[in-house]
Amino acid sequence: NAGVMQNPRHLVRRRGQEARLRCSPMKGHSHVYWYRQLPEEGLKFMVYLQKENIIDESGMPKERFSAEFPKEGPSILRIQQVVRGDSAAYFCASSPYMEVEGEAFFGQGTRLTVV
Amino acid sequence: DQQVKQNSPSLSVQEGRISILNCDYTNSMFDYFLWYKKYPAEGPTFLISISSIKDKNEDGRFTVFLNKSAKHLSLHIVPSQPGDSAVYFCAASGNSGGSNYKLTFGKGTLLTVNP
Repeated sequence: NAGVMQNPRHLVRRRGQEARLRCSPMKGHSHVYWYRQLPEEGLKFMVYLQKENIIDESGMPKERFSAEFPKEGPSILRIQQVVRGDSAAYFCASSPYMEVEGEAFFGQGTRLTVV
Repeated sequence: DQQVKQNSPSLSVQEGRISILNCDYTNSMFDYFLWYKKYPAEGPTFLISISSIKDKNEDGRFTVFLNKSAKHLSLHIVPSQPGDSAVYFCAASGNSGGSNYKLTFGKGTLLTVNP
């Protein structure tokens, strides 16, 4: 029973390029959450998705950022025209239910560096 | 506007002694609290949680205490082991507007357990 899989683990992009971060939830989990951790900070909620639906994107910047969770395949967090301030660790979590009373299981993260 | 605060960036204890990690919150709508443990270059791993209807939850060496009136919770680890050395994040979720899936994290406390 594989855990939450994120790839790539490390991603380097030049300013202005696009970054695509992938997340495969645990088997049987249809709820996916993306969090961002800036240096010396805690994790900050970005977006919550269910299959083919964005439920809550209140934590995601309005411009350049988008997320999807298609019927088939992993969830994708896409950052267009990256800037140095986008450098962070991006974590994906999944859960079998909407409520996080159980617990959300986190992936190992993608560390994005913008040069 | 930090709604979950971990005021101690680091804590150092001797093996076998008790580790006490503290967390304060400001949002009275939070009704579920979680502790996550994080090793470098890995994602957070769920440790223990507590609902606001309880004041204590115990799981092996880990106990979480919740003081609702003070908006304070603490994680006790006893006895502490070197393998417990990690960053510990306090997180909270609430049912405000149905957002009980969204975790609000503190900045974390780095625990070092010395042999």
